[in-house]
Amino acid sequence: EVQLVESGGGLVQPGGSLRLSCAASGFTFSNYWMHWVRQVPGKGLVWVSRVNTDESGIGHADSVKGRFTISRDNAKNTLYLQMNSLRAEDTAVYYCAREAVPGGNDYWGQGTLVTVSS
Amino acid sequence: QSALTQPPSASGSPGQSVTISCTGTSSDVGDYNYVSWYQQRPGKAPKLMIYEVSRRPSGVPDRFSGSKSGNTASLTVSGLQAEDEADYYCSSYAGSNNFVFGTGTKVTVL
Repeated sequence: EVQLVESGGGLVQPGGSLRLSCAASGFTFSNYWMHWVRQVPGKGLVWVSRVNTDESGIGHADSVKGRFTISRDNAKNTLYLQMNSLRAEDTAVYYCAREAVPGGNDYWGQGTLVTVSS
Repeated sequence: QSALTQPPSASGSPGQSVTISCTGTSSDVGDYNYVSWYQQRPGKAPKLMIYEVSRRPSGVPDRFSGSKSGNTASLTVSGLQAEDEADYYCSSYAGSNNFVFGTGTKVTVL
């Protein structure tokens, strides 16, 4: 069974840092491109980042470019999102997702809540 | 990277059809056939309903169909059922490993 389990969320002060993790199981993680998507509770989905299988192709939304970095460890079947210089507007539930077909994410984690507040 | 534009709401009676539009630009929807649609029920993760404009993943009913013309993509739900009531989001590739989601549409089954 395909599973994606996010962790690392929590309360952090503005300007602080967090690293989110997404543990993958039930499939060959190294074969799939992966995404981070965020959602403020009650609001819409916002794409954050995407990484290809070997980190040679990476994209970040303009709103997080220079502050967030997506990475992966294929040996540990884990996706990461390093978030620095956090702002109140980064407060959201962060989902990791597997891209199974071009542009289509077929499996999503349950999400981890990041709250940026003093 | 502006969000794709969707109508905030759409509705229909059981058995009817509803169509949701998703308007982007020539740099995203208009330039790539990598438009996807997601269904999200309250408190749940999104579910992929359509990818590559009109392809359905295994298990998605054929009542769901997608199309694209120019900078606008569309999702049509035919034969509406109560279980189709949810939020729907489009997504498009925007080049250089970037993606963009739509603003979301709440579908109500009357």
